[in-house]
Amino acid sequence: GAVVSQHPSRVICKSGTSVKIECRSLDFQATTMFWYRQFPKQSLMLMATSNEGSKATYEQGVEKDKFLINHASLTLSTLTVTSAHPEDSSFYICSAINWQSYEQYFGPGTRLTVT
Amino acid sequence: QKEVEQNSGPLSVPEGAIASLNCTYSDRGSQSFFWYRQYSGKSPELIMSIYSNGDKEDGRFTAQLNKASQYVSLLIRDSQPSDSATYLCAVRRLGAGGTSYGKLTFGQGTILTVHP
Repeated sequence: GAVVSQHPSRVICKSGTSVKIECRSLDFQATTMFWYRQFPKQSLMLMATSNEGSKATYEQGVEKDKFLINHASLTLSTLTVTSAHPEDSSFYICSAINWQSYEQYFGPGTRLTVT
Repeated sequence: QKEVEQNSGPLSVPEGAIASLNCTYSDRGSQSFFWYRQYSGKSPELIMSIYSNGDKEDGRFTAQLNKASQYVSLLIRDSQPSDSATYLCAVRRLGAGGTSYGKLTFGQGTILTVHP
């Protein structure tokens, strides 16, 4: 079946540093990808919609200057958490739509811990 | 009223039984419907997609859609302890344009426990 990969799966960084997370669609071209965040025992929260070749669309309350999204190719989107702080510690998950099947697949997630 | 509603559970069924998970949605423009399974600490995994009224079967899973009643369900036959997870119902309104295009709306999830 379709596969979406993420890298890294786990990252620990110091407060004030930046972290880049990569999301790749392996089996299909993904013109649309999404970035979610999930805190323990809470629901998925959509952060932004990433469209290949254009600027990302951010959900209300998500700081676009803090969470930089780049979708430069049909198979790769990146999320950079800039000047990370402990409150940014969370589980970040990307997903991609296969527009041939209309199905949306999730990557395995990246667990970010900011110390 | 929430856009997508699920009973949060927990729903507990014995091994081998049928687990029935339900979901209602409020947006009549919804056209695509999905069930995801999420184990604790993991990302959601797509189980079923359904786009037209009726039943769709895949192995032990059957999705049912009734657009007139704005209702979608998932049946799991011969439930196994490994099916214990949170099940997320998600709907998508295609063609809305703007920022909502392609975006999924999730229910809060139903926790299923299958006990031996």
